[in-house]
Amino acid sequence: GESVGLHLPTLSVQEGDNSIINCAYSNSASDYFIWYKQESGKGPQFIIDIRSNMDKRQGQRVTVLLNKTVKHLSLQIAATQPGDSAVYFCAENKGGTASKLTFGTGTRLQVTL
Amino acid sequence: KAGVTQTPRYLIKTRGQQVTLSCSPISGHRSVSWYQQTPGQGLQFLFEYFSETQRNKGNFPGRFSGRQFSNSRSEMNVSTLELGDSALYLCASSLEPGRVAFFGQGTRLTVV
Repeated sequence: GESVGLHLPTLSVQEGDNSIINCAYSNSASDYFIWYKQESGKGPQFIIDIRSNMDKRQGQRVTVLLNKTVKHLSLQIAATQPGDSAVYFCAENKGGTASKLTFGTGTRLQVTL
Repeated sequence: KAGVTQTPRYLIKTRGQQVTLSCSPISGHRSVSWYQQTPGQGLQFLFEYFSETQRNKGNFPGRFSGRQFSNSRSEMNVSTLELGDSALYLCASSLEPGRVAFFGQGTRLTVV
């Protein structure tokens, strides 16, 4: 039978605007969160990470916010550029020293000119 | 510094065959993890290796196996291939378990 792919939510943003990509995580025991960017035909590329003892972390043009109360993570991209067009995944590590990451379904970011 | 290198990039196999995929981690990284990515299931954890030992395994059948060598390079093997094994197989390396993982470009496996 025909396989059904995951439905990827899509965020369309005009070049130069700010983007906010949201992610709900599942495990309150998770203590480490990462955002990855994946372009077509490539592997996920690390963007920024945050530990559960923080609620905000900033990088170059990106900011990650963590709200542990509602188990919500967001990625903010400032001055979005065409090169930011990709699928963005949040991933959580459910504690300890394991490297096992649980990924969200992803959000497709489309930057319009 | 070179990134994570996966070989081959593309592979076509027939049902029932077996396949071995290779991963060379970033120099100095000792932890290697494998993930399967499909349109239907997304990114799913397969297993993690550190110091030549499997530390974690995802919910995959025993046909999926792996190993890590003393130089931290890793291989994964899938035996008795099924059509549903068609996927992008991704390897990620980190300095040690629990640290940020960097991914390779993946191996695109097609089973016909």
